[in-house]
Amino acid sequence: GAVVSQHPSWVICKSGTSVKIECRSLDFQATTMFWYRQFPKQSLMLMATSNEGSKATYEQGVEKDKFLINHASLTLSTLTVTSAHPEDSSFYICSAIGTYEQYFGPGTRLTVT
Amino acid sequence: AQKITQTQPGMFVQEKEAVTLDCTYDTSDPSYGLFWYKQPSSGEMIFLIYQGSYDQQNATEGRYSLNFQKARKSANLVISASQLGDSAMYFCAMREGPRSNYQLIWGAGTKLIIKP
Repeated sequence: GAVVSQHPSWVICKSGTSVKIECRSLDFQATTMFWYRQFPKQSLMLMATSNEGSKATYEQGVEKDKFLINHASLTLSTLTVTSAHPEDSSFYICSAIGTYEQYFGPGTRLTVT
Repeated sequence: AQKITQTQPGMFVQEKEAVTLDCTYDTSDPSYGLFWYKQPSSGEMIFLIYQGSYDQQNATEGRYSLNFQKARKSANLVISASQLGDSAMYFCAMREGPRSNYQLIWGAGTKLIIKP
């Protein structure tokens, strides 16, 4: 099946700093990627839809200025958590759209101290 | 109202037994798709099985089968001959509308633990 990678897989950062997470589709092109957030023992929460060459569409309640999304190419979308705070600590998962389904990346665990 | 309901927060099952994970859904759209994903402790979401609303037969993928009861709006996942490696979180998800609508609505998940 299609492969999606995320980098880094785990990151610890200090409060107030920014963190960039990359999502790549390795063997296919994805005009659309999704960014999810998952808290412990909870389900996935869609944060935004990332479209290549255009602005991301954010879900209600998600601050677009805090979670910057850039979909610069057909194989790469990035999520930047700006001025991170401890409450931003979470598991971030991206997915890329294949033919009929989403292919998920392995996730990035962010811890803000 | 919840669009996807998974009523079992957790389950313990003996190894080699079959297990059924419940999922009910709510939609008024005649075209929809139902998915099951497995999430082990590593965090990766692993696609297991898909059922389209117009599919006449229940989907099967190896040891996984989907018990699709359209009138009851249920899409239970059945895992035959469970293995220790099946221990994970399992999520049911639904896509409403045509297959070109890729957004998924997620259930709360069921934590499955297989006992040796």
